[in-house]
Amino acid sequence: AQSVTQPDIHITVSEGASLELRCNYSYGATPYLFWYVQSPGQGLQLLLKYFSGDTLVQGIKGFEAEFKRSQSSFNLRKPSVHWSDAAEYFCAVVPGSYIPTFGRGTSLIVHP
Amino acid sequence: DAGVIQSPRHEVTEMGQEVTLRCKPISGHNSLFWYRQTMMRGLELLIYFNNNVPIDDSGMPEDRFSAKMPNASFSTLKIQPSEPRDSAVYFCASGKADSSYNEQFFGPGTRLTVL
Repeated sequence: AQSVTQPDIHITVSEGASLELRCNYSYGATPYLFWYVQSPGQGLQLLLKYFSGDTLVQGIKGFEAEFKRSQSSFNLRKPSVHWSDAAEYFCAVVPGSYIPTFGRGTSLIVHP
Repeated sequence: DAGVIQSPRHEVTEMGQEVTLRCKPISGHNSLFWYRQTMMRGLELLIYFNNNVPIDDSGMPEDRFSAKMPNASFSTLKIQPSEPRDSAVYFCASGKADSSYNEQFFGPGTRLTVL
């Protein structure tokens, strides 16, 4: 069965600083990979997704993620964080069975 | 498009009462998921429907929980009887399982409090 690990429970950055949220997965083949964001009191919103092709994918709100097969990673990055980016971020793996596995999430705190 | 619609948004009930959560998926989507989110356990998949048929209900915690999808535009999650440990935010999500991927669109959630 597949699994997803988000090793950082909390990440604190200053506004304007760069950001990298880590995601590692375990799956026998190349899965579909997603990053979602959850603002307080809201549902999850898709940031970006990877299926195949270019390993660097661009998403909404200035986010990008890079798929590294050799490291089984799909880390999320943003060059300059805004205060409105404070939220919970979830990495998800969806294999061919369409049943997703979500990580535990990383809470992003942005200091002014 | 209205997105995934869930009702009610908030529910407060007493232990032992029946609770019914409702979900209307996005039109044209043929997969539907129910999740439960708590601080302790994170986001848990409870059940997955494809074309209105339950495919995987291994995440349903116990017999007190049941889910139905009588048609492509409506699903319910019922807890009977409810217990305080069922307090959580319950999300419904829908997607297209027969596309080349399975992006899920989440509803706003129902915050359930069982006293």
